Amino acid sequence: ETVLTQSPGTLSLSPGETATLSCRASQSVTSNYVAWYQQKPGQAPKLLIYGASSRATGIPDRFSGSGSGTDFTLTISRLEPEDFAVYHCQQYGRSSYTYAFGRGTRLEIK
Amino acid sequence: QVTLKESGPALVKPTQTLTLTCTFSGFSLMSTGMRVSWIRQPPGKALEWLARIDWDDDKFYSTSLKARLTISKDTSKNQVVLRMTNMDPVDTATYYCARTIEYFDYWGQGYLVTVSS
Repeated sequence: ETVLTQSPGTLSLSPGETATLSCRASQSVTSNYVAWYQQKPGQAPKLLIYGASSRATGIPDRFSGSGSGTDFTLTISRLEPEDFAVYHCQQYGRSSYTYAFGRGTRLEIK
Repeated sequence: QVTLKESGPALVKPTQTLTLTCTFSGFSLMSTGMRVSWIRQPPGKALEWLARIDWDDDKFYSTSLKARLTISKDTSKNQVVLRMTNMDPVDTATYYCARTIEYFDYWGQGYLVTVSS
């Protein structure tokens, strides 16, 4: 099964800066099957990006996803105070019919 | 408007079987392409996908937990049920149900289940 490694574990930035979050897969994955979620304390995860680069409904264009093969990136431009949260990447294994999540990146205010 | 909500016992004893119910609205599990998954998250830890059931009653399970899990649906009630046997304290987690495509587009609020004697 595919293992997803997210880095860094914690990212400290200031509002207005740009955050770059990485998700590396242990084997090549189909871009269509990579997603990113935002999770705030006490809340369920919220879908941000699917298909590696498509924004979910209502997600501002400050959030963008990219990547292919084994390396995927979530970029958050012009950080707003509400963006400080934990971000999870997720992959769907079409051949195994299973889903994998990374361990998350915590984005905190510097 | 799509909504999902988890329910069940908040506390179970070790070795007991956990039964959780996901009650949803805004879509039908009889519609082609619809799927619902269960996902859990131990306190302070990563998300872990557990199981998925599809509109055609196909079922898929986490490889590591397959022997302990059973997922089922009641389309007349718009519910999906997850059973997990032989509960252990390490199974203490918030359990979520989520509408599923190749990703999870709508999530329930989550339900904390504690395993303790």
